[in-house]
Amino acid sequence: AQKVTQAQTEISVVEKEDVTLDCVYETRDTTYYLFWYKQPPSGELVFLIRRNSFDEQNEISGRYSWNFQKSTSSFNFTITASQVVDSAVYFCALSEAPTQGGSEKLVFGKGTKLTVNP
Amino acid sequence: EAQVTQNPRYLITVTGKKLTVTCSQNMNHEYMSWYRQDPGLGLRQIYYSMNVEVTDKGDVPEGYKVSRKEKRNFPLILESPSPNQTSLYFCASTFPGSTEAFFGQGTRLTVV
Repeated sequence: AQKVTQAQTEISVVEKEDVTLDCVYETRDTTYYLFWYKQPPSGELVFLIRRNSFDEQNEISGRYSWNFQKSTSSFNFTITASQVVDSAVYFCALSEAPTQGGSEKLVFGKGTKLTVNP
Repeated sequence: EAQVTQNPRYLITVTGKKLTVTCSQNMNHEYMSWYRQDPGLGLRQIYYSMNVEVTDKGDVPEGYKVSRKEKRNFPLILESPSPNQTSLYFCASTFPGSTEAFFGQGTRLTVV
C-alpha cells in the first residue's frame, strides 16, 4: 500500500529564515509520481511540483527547491528566505503511474502547517 | 481558461437533508475524483471515475454517491448527510497519463 508521511505537523519560522518540509513515502511501484501542493488560508490547492520516480535531479524554482532521494524515499521541500506569504499548509502526495484500468489516485500526507512570522 | 468548477463553495445543511455538490471541468479530462479534507488527516479519496458511466469507490465512500453521465460533470451526492460528513471537499480532474490533478476551489460543508 502507498503511504506518505509528513512528520512535521506545524512549523513556525521568522521571515527570511530557510525552512525545510519533510516528506517520506512508501510504495512498491517502480514508477510513480510525487507532488507538492500549497494550501493558503483561502483554502484552494495550488500545484507546486511533480516529479517522476526516474528523475532524481533536484529542482529549483525561485526561492523553492526540492530534494528527491530514492535511497531514503524522501522528497523534501525547502523554502529559502521565507516570506509571510509562504504561510500555508503544504501537502506532499504520491501517485502510481497510470496503467490501463488503474486508478490515478493521489495519496496525500497529512500536511505541514507553516507559519512565517514577520 | 482550464478549470474545475465546484458549487457551492459553502453550504450549511441539516442532518438527513439530501444535497448535491456539483463539479464541472472544461478540459475534456476522462478521470475525475472527489476528495475530502479533514484536520490532521490530509485529503482522502471518496470516489473516482475513469470515464462516462464508469465510477468506483475510493478510500472513504460510505455515505456518498456519484454519477458520471457526461464527461464534464461529476456530482457528489449525499443522500442523508450526517455531522461526520462535515468537511472540505475537493473535486479533481486528470488527463490520462499526465498524473497532474487539477483541483476545484473546494466546498466547505457543514452538517448540523
